[in-house]
Amino acid sequence: KAGVTQTPRYLIKTRGQQVTLSCSPISGHRSVSWYQQTPGQGLQFLFEYFSETQRNKGNFPGRFSGRQFSNSRSEMNVSTLELGDSALYLCASNLAGGPTDTQYFGPGTRLTVL
Amino acid sequence: GENVEQHPSTLSVQEGDSAVIKCTYSDSASNYFPWYKQELGKGPQLIIDIRSNVGEKKDQRIAVTLNKTAKHFSLHITETQPEDSAVYFCAATPRNAGNMLTFGGGTRLMVKP
Repeated sequence: KAGVTQTPRYLIKTRGQQVTLSCSPISGHRSVSWYQQTPGQGLQFLFEYFSETQRNKGNFPGRFSGRQFSNSRSEMNVSTLELGDSALYLCASNLAGGPTDTQYFGPGTRLTVL
Repeated sequence: GENVEQHPSTLSVQEGDSAVIKCTYSDSASNYFPWYKQELGKGPQLIIDIRSNVGEKKDQRIAVTLNKTAKHFSLHITETQPEDSAVYFCAATPRNAGNMLTFGGGTRLMVKP
């Protein structure tokens, strides 16, 4: 079974631009979560989607948004990019969205904001 | 909200020795504690997890212990090998927080051959 895939793997943008990242969960998984990983702040939860509905949201500004499609694929969007948005963005999927279900992570998208 | 602290931030051991990484959490309602290994250029990979109704779990060379009273849990790796070198993260999921994982700061483990 294929793992979680994320596209693109690398992205370079300039301040003020917007960006869309994509995540395809493991087949059959209905929950997708997004995390931001930086050297300074570590791994931080962005948001979680289950059956096309946002269930949880972390402490990030409204410039960060996401959505989930009926096939469980998810996208996240960052508008008005800032230098501090440079990070590895990780997507994780799990089967049924339960709090103790194993979350499987993708390889991430490395975003660099110049 | 939940806060997870992880120690040490770096750990260097000789091949064959044991490695122990410790985490503390703040929310007594947390009930799921996974450990992830992250290698360079890859996403975190689950290596073991423990739920709050269990005190210890073992999988070959890896074990995790949980002390709910003290609100801490630990990862034990025995007979370390060079391929164990990576960054390890502990995490906690508070009850009623969906799938949200709160991660510790990570431990860079280096196993010297």
